Amino acid sequence: RKEVEQDPGPFNVPEGATVAFNCTYSNSASQSFFWYRQDCRKEPKLLMSVYSSGNEDGRFTAQLNRASQYISLLIRDSKLSDSATYLCVVIGGSQGNLIFGKGTKLSVKP
Amino acid sequence: DAGVIQSPRHEVTEMGQEVTLRCKPISGHDYLFWYRQTMMRGLELLIYFNNNVPIDDSGMPEDRFSAKMPNASFSTLKIQPSEPRDSAVYFCASRRGRDNSPLHFGNGTRLTVT
Repeated sequence: RKEVEQDPGPFNVPEGATVAFNCTYSNSASQSFFWYRQDCRKEPKLLMSVYSSGNEDGRFTAQLNRASQYISLLIRDSKLSDSATYLCVVIGGSQGNLIFGKGTKLSVKP
Repeated sequence: DAGVIQSPRHEVTEMGQEVTLRCKPISGHDYLFWYRQTMMRGLELLIYFNNNVPIDDSGMPEDRFSAKMPNASFSTLKIQPSEPRDSAVYFCASRRGRDNSPLHFGNGTRLTVT
């Protein structure tokens, strides 16, 4: 099993749709979790951290399920500008052990 | 906060030449990472430093690649000699190793080796 796995997509959704991505991780000792967004030919940028109790930032909701070892990202009322690749990041047993998923590509259509 | 600063933004060089990529991390960050990204392989960790000391260089492709961090505000990634398969975007990133701090990326260096 790969350390961090994501469905590569692409997810093609209409504007206004709700879309959800999952990311599974193999190291049960993982400590911290993040979602990043990467636009074409740009660097990855932090979208949001993922907290144990789940957290929301506007249209974005992140959740962590430690028992099943996955994190999720929900985007409500999707906009054209949400089109990007979404990367999950897991910090494993040490503060330097950051593992990136390969990313899920989202394309929001008018 | 200026963020992570990388230079150059673009580098085009001929096979066999030496390439040096530079990075200035965010002040106060004690971890520095070098990544390489290609369409085929995604984002790959090459090496990371903690307090200027290399901790894990298992991702460095081969002896042609070397990285240094002489002080807390500067790091280099060198490729000598360069080959066409080294063409990629190279990202430097830094973070503070506590408080659930996220990783901050530089703009990247787009390297093309012809």
